[in-house]
Amino acid sequence: AQTVTQSQPEMSVQEAETVTLSCTYDTSENNYYLFWYKQPPSRQMILVIRQEAYKQQNATENRFSVNFQKAAKSFSLKISDSQLGDTAMYFCAFIHNAGNMLTFGGGTRLMVKP
Amino acid sequence: GAVVSQHPSRVICKSGTSVKIECRSLDFQATTMFWYRQFPKQSLMLMATSNEGSKATYEQGVEKDKFLINHASLTLSTLTVTSAHPEDSSFYICSAREGTGTREAFFGQGTRLTVV
Repeated sequence: AQTVTQSQPEMSVQEAETVTLSCTYDTSENNYYLFWYKQPPSRQMILVIRQEAYKQQNATENRFSVNFQKAAKSFSLKISDSQLGDTAMYFCAFIHNAGNMLTFGGGTRLMVKP
Repeated sequence: GAVVSQHPSRVICKSGTSVKIECRSLDFQATTMFWYRQFPKQSLMLMATSNEGSKATYEQGVEKDKFLINHASLTLSTLTVTSAHPEDSSFYICSAREGTGTREAFFGQGTRLTVV
């Protein structure tokens, strides 16, 4: 069974600065997807970014980018120019190509300070 | 992205009563829907997976007779908490996936259940 580990329960960053959230996973599969979801205080889960394992190029969505290291099974999220609205819980998630269920990490609580 | 609507967003019920939570995919057909429970400051815990027209698959430790799941159409799944107790108070979240070609899941807004 696959596992997803987020080693940072809480992090904080000053507004406009850059922060990196860590995620590692364990799987014996070769084809899978990785996601970062954001859960703000409203508790609505929002997809931030997605990475297909077969793609070597790191995914980027505006201020959000990932560092996908397949051999190391690492999938970190970098938030540039942090904004107050980035304050949220961030969950890393994994799913096999042929799988049915997302496996979530334990989450990282990010606080952006003014 | 696709929209998943969950209703109600908050509900308070008396101990011993039942409460139904609805999860609708508004602009796509969801062949698979998922129900999660989330405790404060914790990750999402999968309760069950439902496929349209078939029985739900429950995760280990989840009482299927207490948490009734119905996925009667491609756009609607319901979770009924039967004979609710205060320990059932929690945040419940549904998600839905369109077909099998995409791995992305879309989430409802969640339901805060308080049993008094």
